[in-house]
Amino acid sequence: RKEVEQDPGPFNVPEGATVAFNCTYSNSASQSFFWYRQDCRKEPKLLMSVYSSGNEDGRFTAQLNRASQYISLLIRDSKLSDSATYLCVVNSGGGYNKLIFGAGTRLAVHP
Amino acid sequence: DAGVTQSPTHLIKTRGQHVTLRCSPISGHKSVSWYQQVLGQGPQFIFQYYEKEERGRGNFPDRFSARQFPNYSSELNVNALLLGDSALYLCASQNRGVNSPLHFGNGTRLTVT
Repeated sequence: RKEVEQDPGPFNVPEGATVAFNCTYSNSASQSFFWYRQDCRKEPKLLMSVYSSGNEDGRFTAQLNRASQYISLLIRDSKLSDSATYLCVVNSGGGYNKLIFGAGTRLAVHP
Repeated sequence: DAGVTQSPTHLIKTRGQHVTLRCSPISGHKSVSWYQQVLGQGPQFIFQYYEKEERGRGNFPDRFSARQFPNYSSELNVNALLLGDSALYLCASQNRGVNSPLHFGNGTRLTVT
């Protein structure tokens, strides 16, 4: 079983749609969680951290369920510029901050 | 402030050759990590260094090595290159702290022919 699993997509949605991505992780000792965004042939960039109580940043909402070891990202009112790959990231625990990446979920927003 | 800088941007090597990739972290960041990203996959952890000491190593062969210098910059070395080493190599720096995210450089795209 992979340490971080994501649906690869692609998710093809029209502008203005709401789309949700899910992610599961296997290490119950993980303490920090992130969503990164990666554009084609570019480096990953931090989109947002994910907190236990859930958190929102504009059109983006992240949720964490520690009991189910499940993370989600909700994007409201999708824009063309949201088209990218979204990477779910979990730290490994164990005393040093090794971050483990999922394979990513591809989102394509069309007019 | 400058972000994480990597050099070179692109590199083409032949099987069996050796390569050195370089990285300068964000000013004030003492931790540097290296990741390999093959097309269609997420980044895979190779090494983490903090205060010039190796703090973590991923599941990569001994052909891969790295070091961190007193100014916190870092080098990744790969010996005896294989075709399968073709990938985007990403360097990231972070503040110390269990909850701190990684900040990536633009990466070095290595092609092995």
